[in-house]
Amino acid sequence: EVQLVESGGVVVQPGGSLRLSCAASGFRFDDYTMAWVRQAPGKGLEWVSLFSWDGGTIYYADSVKGRFTISRDNSKNSLSLQMNSLRTEDTGLYYCAKDIGSWAATGVFDYWGQGTLVTVSS
Amino acid sequence: DIRMTQSPSSLSASVGDRVTITCRTSQYISSYLNWYQQKPGRAPKLLIHASSSLQSGVPSRFSGSGSGTDFTLTISSLQREDFATYYCQQSYSPPYTFGQGTKLEI
Repeated sequence: EVQLVESGGVVVQPGGSLRLSCAASGFRFDDYTMAWVRQAPGKGLEWVSLFSWDGGTIYYADSVKGRFTISRDNSKNSLSLQMNSLRTEDTGLYYCAKDIGSWAATGVFDYWGQGTLVTVSS
Repeated sequence: DIRMTQSPSSLSASVGDRVTITCRTSQYISSYLNWYQQKPGRAPKLLIHASSSLQSGVPSRFSGSGSGTDFTLTISSLQREDFATYYCQQSYSPPYTFGQGTKLEI
């Protein structure tokens, strides 16, 4: 059974930093592209970043480019998101998501974690 | 960036109804269009990918169609468990943008 478990969400002040983690299990992690998608309270979904299975493709939304860094540790089946220079508009539930295609970066997400809540507030 | 416009934003329907949600993109995306269902307090669930491919385990009452810039999600006979918010998403090119959502209510 595929499982994605996010952690690291807390309350942080504007300008602060935070690192989110996603622990994956139930599939061959290093064969799949992974992504982060966020959802502000009461709002829709916003794709944040993607890291391909082989590290050859990394994408960011313009809203986080230069402030967030996605990474993965295939030896630990783990995906991370380092978030710097946080803004109030970064507040939301951050989901870790698995790409549907093996050895590909399709941008289609077939499994999602339950999310970790980041609150940026003074 | 590719802009996604869903309509309607909200929809009231009854069990047994046939419902259609539309998604229009700001530029051509071939068939790289996906649909997700989200229930309150839950993570999104992939329903349909590549415009019309039903994800494994999703009931056959869900169907998708379209290509280019205009797409539809159809639920042939609404069940109580289908009341949720639905999002379209393009996977043609990053950023992989989502529509604003359609809330389906009783």
